Amino acid sequence: DAGITQSPRYKITETGRQVTLMCHQTWSHSYMFWYRQDLGHGLRLIYYSAAADITDKGEVPDGYVVSRSKTENFPLTLESATRSQTSVYFCASSEKKFRDRETQYFGPGTRLLVL
Amino acid sequence: AQTVTQSQPEMSVQEAETVTLSCTYDTSESDYYLFWYKQPPSRQMILVIRQEAYKQQNATENRFSVNFQKAAKSFSLKISDSQLGDAAMYFCAYRSLWGTGNQFYFGTGTSLTVIP
Repeated sequence: DAGITQSPRYKITETGRQVTLMCHQTWSHSYMFWYRQDLGHGLRLIYYSAAADITDKGEVPDGYVVSRSKTENFPLTLESATRSQTSVYFCASSEKKFRDRETQYFGPGTRLLVL
Repeated sequence: AQTVTQSQPEMSVQEAETVTLSCTYDTSESDYYLFWYKQPPSRQMILVIRQEAYKQQNATENRFSVNFQKAAKSFSLKISDSQLGDAAMYFCAYRSLWGTGNQFYFGTGTSLTVIP
């Protein structure tokens, strides 16, 4: 009953370093998402993926890179971390079906601090 | 893009009382889903309730119910018999049924405090 997991749960890094946040889901959901959560902004979509090897930008993609070589994994990479990327990052997954009641299922989040 | 607005950054309620959290949204679509999520201090996002726009009947889940006013683009959450465990951040979300992204749009959240 793993569901959707994220690692690491907490990360401290320095400006300019590359950081990769991992996301893994066990449901074989087609869609996966990365959000960041900041005070006053709620959740904002960074990137999403409709299937393996298909990714697209969300609302705030600058400074981030994603890949999806396997359906179950959707890593998010900060190529050169900046202080403005200090945030809580949530991964989510869903299976889109017309008129289905499917919703998004969220991971536990990763707290990232960039010094 | 759709926008979701939660105009109440903070709310408080006495234990056992009822509280209503407001949410409005802007869209040109006629069919969509709306959700309320709860985020306790653990940071986990937990689905509270969902509403399909094509259904006129308001969704209900135990102590949680919504007042969905499609013409007014309003989607408020009512929590009855409030409990201490209801204290959390609540997010309203909109899901488009069309396009390729299956994207959700979230409001900025309402922090609910439950007073013993």
